[in-house]
Amino acid sequence: EVQLVQSGAEVKKPGESLKISCKGSGYSFTSYWIGWVRQMPGKGLEWMGIIYPGDSDTRYSPSFQGQVTISADKSISTAYLQWSSLKASDTAMYYCAVVITTHAFDIWGQGTMVTVSS
Amino acid sequence: DIQMTQSPSSLSASVGDRVTITCQASQDISNYLNWYQQKPGKAPKLLIYDASNLETGVPSRFSGSGSGTDFTFTISSLQPEDIATYYCQQYDNLLLTFGPGTKVDIK
Repeated sequence: EVQLVQSGAEVKKPGESLKISCKGSGYSFTSYWIGWVRQMPGKGLEWMGIIYPGDSDTRYSPSFQGQVTISADKSISTAYLQWSSLKASDTAMYYCAVVITTHAFDIWGQGTMVTVSS
Repeated sequence: DIQMTQSPSSLSASVGDRVTITCQASQDISNYLNWYQQKPGKAPKLLIYDASNLETGVPSRFSGSGSGTDFTFTISSLQPEDIATYYCQQYDNLLLTFGPGTKVDIK
């Protein structure tokens, strides 16, 4: 079974750093693009960026370029989303999702809630 | 970037009604358009890919059509379990954009 399992909820203070994870299983992790999607409370879906774990080719939405870093460790089939200095406006649910059989996000992780508050 | 608009932003319909949502891209995206369903507190779920292809396991009351800049998503007979927000999403050369979403509920 293809599955993406994300790390647990985080509560952080403004200015702190954070790295959340997304572990893939049941498929060839290095062969398919994995993306990250933000959903702020009560709002819609926003595509942040996407990475090809096979060669770490990464593309960012212009809205998120320079604000976050997407990476992957193919040795442990895990993708990451990280911030160097969190802001209150980073409070959101973050989903990872993989493009496998179609040109779409076929499989989604369960989401990681990030709360940034002083 | 390619911008996506959806209409309506919300709708209320009766069980059994035909429901139609439209999605418009700011430039030609061929058929590079997907539709997702998101129920409250859940991750999104892919329903339609490449504008008109039904994802495996998705009920046939869901359908999609269109190409270029104008796309349509239809629920042929609304069911109570279809209460959700629906998003279109384009993919153009690995730069993706979601539409703002359409919230569907039961009248």
